[in-house]
Amino acid sequence: KQEVTQIPAALSVPEGENLVLNCSFTDSAIYNLQWFRQDPGKGLTSLLLIQSSQREQTSGRLNASLDKSSGRSTLYIAASQPGDSATYLCAVIDGGTSYGKLTFGQGTILTVHP
Amino acid sequence: ETGVTQSPTHLIKTRGQQVTLRCSSQSGHNTVSWYQQALGQGPQFIFQYYREEENGRGNFPPRFSGLQFPNYSSELNVNALELDDSALYLCASSFDLGLSGNEQFFGPGTRLTVL
Repeated sequence: KQEVTQIPAALSVPEGENLVLNCSFTDSAIYNLQWFRQDPGKGLTSLLLIQSSQREQTSGRLNASLDKSSGRSTLYIAASQPGDSATYLCAVIDGGTSYGKLTFGQGTILTVHP
Repeated sequence: ETGVTQSPTHLIKTRGQQVTLRCSSQSGHNTVSWYQQALGQGPQFIFQYYREEENGRGNFPPRFSGLQFPNYSSELNVNALELDDSALYLCASSFDLGLSGNEQFFGPGTRLTVL
């Protein structure tokens, strides 16, 4: 059974810092990995999707890497801003599946203070 | 391009009642997945509908059921509500099961409270 773990559970940083959020998964045979952002009480916003054949994806100040063999992904946020404050979730879809079930971690709560 | 929408935004029910939640998928998408998110937890997969058929199901009892319509919108029905059903219900829209390079896009959610 796939299990996804995110470390740290919470992170508080001053504005302008570069930071790294970690995600690990127990079964390395995945289809893809997706990073999401969730504001309190809201839905999920897709940030980046990395297919199993890729090693990283970039969007603006965000860069996500994937190391399938070690079962790890990192989300790098450059020059953090107070507007980046949210919960960040990673999720994987298992390889060999016939449907796109996302298995989520519990998230990292990020607070960026001015 | 219209994003994923859900209705209602909030709902309060009492134990034993039945509820129907609705989701309109993003234009061009043929797959809808439903997730339950308890407070402080990551979302849990309920089931997925692809071209009007249930295509996969998570560890939820049969009182959780769904439908997908020809326009690919979807409903989640929950019978005999229990207190533990209180959660944020999210639907995700995608193309072709959300596999390979197809991202899943989420709606804003329906907050269900069971008293």
